[in-house]
Amino acid sequence: GAGVSQSPRYKVAKRGQDVALRCDPISGHVSLFWYQQALGQGPEFLTYFQNEAQLDKSGLPSDRFFAERPEGSVSTLKIQRTQQEDSAVYLCASSLARGDINYGYTFGSGTRLTVV
Amino acid sequence: AQKVTQAQTEISVVEKEDVTLDCVYETRDTTYYLFWYKQPPSGELVFLIRRNSFDEQNEISGRYSWNFQKSTSSFNFTITASQVVDSAVYFCALNPYGNNRLAFGKGNQVVVIP
Repeated sequence: GAGVSQSPRYKVAKRGQDVALRCDPISGHVSLFWYQQALGQGPEFLTYFQNEAQLDKSGLPSDRFFAERPEGSVSTLKIQRTQQEDSAVYLCASSLARGDINYGYTFGSGTRLTVV
Repeated sequence: AQKVTQAQTEISVVEKEDVTLDCVYETRDTTYYLFWYKQPPSGELVFLIRRNSFDEQNEISGRYSWNFQKSTSSFNFTITASQVVDSAVYFCALNPYGNNRLAFGKGNQVVVIP
């Protein structure tokens, strides 16, 4: 597609519920990133994929967070047993670069998760 | 560890005024990239500029200009003759060479009053 597509755009979850957030990167983009943006803050890195390999997951805040990209294109960020502190905008970005040289990412519009 | 500081949280200007956004960064890496992104109300982050640490030339793109000063670890951004469409949150970000993550500042909320 022309840009990075994320769905759903908005998600309201009851505390304790599991959620799955989807990211469709730009076709052919090798690298895919997830960021978490709390209200009034800058985005914080969560995890990075190169093709289907998850090369860095050090930013995931707890073992309730899990991301996958099984075929090297679409990625899903799953949050189990959601807590109120998980409320944030989750941004996905993709890049043509293979990691060393950063030409900048293309970001999606994000999924706004509200845990009630 | 990388750190990016954007001290001004909200800046209001009257249309056609200039506005300068300050960005100060900290890194132990000698080679790195610096970025500015714009986040309009729709939420996506729009890439504005990438600068690598070897290149201290200032840059101008239309009404936008950037002043990179390695000696003071600053990468400031100026919007000249601001317009209402410039109203957004602007983020400065740092990426060490070979690292996969961007470290963002907290952002500057720019409000342009018609």
